[in-house]
Amino acid sequence: KQEVTQIPAALSVPEGENLVLNCSFTDSAIYNLQWFRQDPGKGLTSLLLIQSSQREQTSGRLNASLDKSSGRSTLYIAASQPGDSATYLCAVRTGANNLFFGTGTRLTVIP
Amino acid sequence: NAGVMQNPRHLVRRRGQEARLRCSPMKGHSHVYWYRQLPEEGLKFMVYLQKENIIDESGMPKERFSAEFPKEGPSILRIQQVVRGDSAAYFCASSPPGAGENQPQHFGDGTRLSIL
Repeated sequence: KQEVTQIPAALSVPEGENLVLNCSFTDSAIYNLQWFRQDPGKGLTSLLLIQSSQREQTSGRLNASLDKSSGRSTLYIAASQPGDSATYLCAVRTGANNLFFGTGTRLTVIP
Repeated sequence: NAGVMQNPRHLVRRRGQEARLRCSPMKGHSHVYWYRQLPEEGLKFMVYLQKENIIDESGMPKERFSAEFPKEGPSILRIQQVVRGDSAAYFCASSPPGAGENQPQHFGDGTRLSIL
């Protein structure tokens, strides 16, 4: 059964720092991996989706990498801003039907 | 372009009542997924539907929970005889037709269900 783990559970950094969030999954037979952002009381905003054949995806200050064989993904955020404060969720797709989610990393960027 | 619309945003029910949660997918999307987020836990898949069909309900509790996605109108997640443990945020996601596993899922803002 697929299990997704995110480390750390919480992270505080001063504004301007670069940071890395980690995600690991136990079953490497995935179709894709998706990173989401969740603000308090809100839904999920999709940030990046990496297909299983890809190694990384970039969007603005965000870069996500995927090492399928080792069951790992990282989300790199450059030059962090207070507006980046949110919970970041990693999810893997193992079939057409559903996503397996990690429990998230709660990020606080201190002005 | 409206995103995935869920209503109500907040729903309060007493134990034993019924809860109905609605989800309108994005325009052009024919696949709907329901997830539940219990306090301090990650999102867990409940059910996957296409128009008039339940494709996968492997994450649904065996009793009291049901889902539908009729030909016309929104998808409905129905919880009968609610209990305190049903308190959670319920999220709906949708994706367009096509190779489902390669399509991103787009999420609504969720319904926060509180059971008194």
